[in-house]
Amino acid sequence: ETGVTQTPRHLVMGMTNKKSLKCEQHLGHNAMYWYKQSAKKPLELMFVYNFKEQTENNSVPSRFSPECPNSSHLFLHLHTLQPEDSALYLCASSQGTGGYNEQFFGPGTRLTVL
Amino acid sequence: KQEVTQIPAALSVPEGENLVLNCSFTDSAIYNLQWFRQDPGKGLTSLLLIQSSQREQTSGRLNASLDKSSGRSTLYIAASQPGDSATYLCAVRWDTGNQFYFGTGTSLTVIP
Repeated sequence: ETGVTQTPRHLVMGMTNKKSLKCEQHLGHNAMYWYKQSAKKPLELMFVYNFKEQTENNSVPSRFSPECPNSSHLFLHLHTLQPEDSALYLCASSQGTGGYNEQFFGPGTRLTVL
Repeated sequence: KQEVTQIPAALSVPEGENLVLNCSFTDSAIYNLQWFRQDPGKGLTSLLLIQSSQREQTSGRLNASLDKSSGRSTLYIAASQPGDSATYLCAVRWDTGNQFYFGTGTSLTVIP
């Protein structure tokens, strides 16, 4: 185990549903990340939080809404998604966002949008 | 544009063979480079992190090298085993930003 957990592991939702993905890290890190992994494409960084503050938003559509209540927890709230949003959503954490920081990943949530 | 490329996309080798996975990047001004392993349907496991001042890093049967001037990194796996079968991803952090850019990975199959 990497110390980063994600729930749920699988999620199927309709385009009108509202759901949330949860990530928790037990490593004492200060930075947390959301990535999207689609088939045949490189991982895409979505959001970065450092000490609970959002430091990066990589032009992500507003139907994805992140929330970071503390340095250990990160949520991704989903609403009115499109079928092309189906992907593996990965959470990661690191000690900080700069310097010699190694990223540690969770197992991911496999999302299917019908 | 900063890009990371991994070729080939897929590789099959017989058990016991030594192999090399390649990663190339467009801009030599990198901060560090990280190799990951991803098993099907799972998250990423960090294998090795190489800082820009380093030429190589080793962990067990794995050796990662970095040649910034040519924009290349290689991951050498010695005496491959079926358990090494996975997708191997390379990620680069450049001096100009705080995020990692990932390649699309090489899917490795080690045949018993």
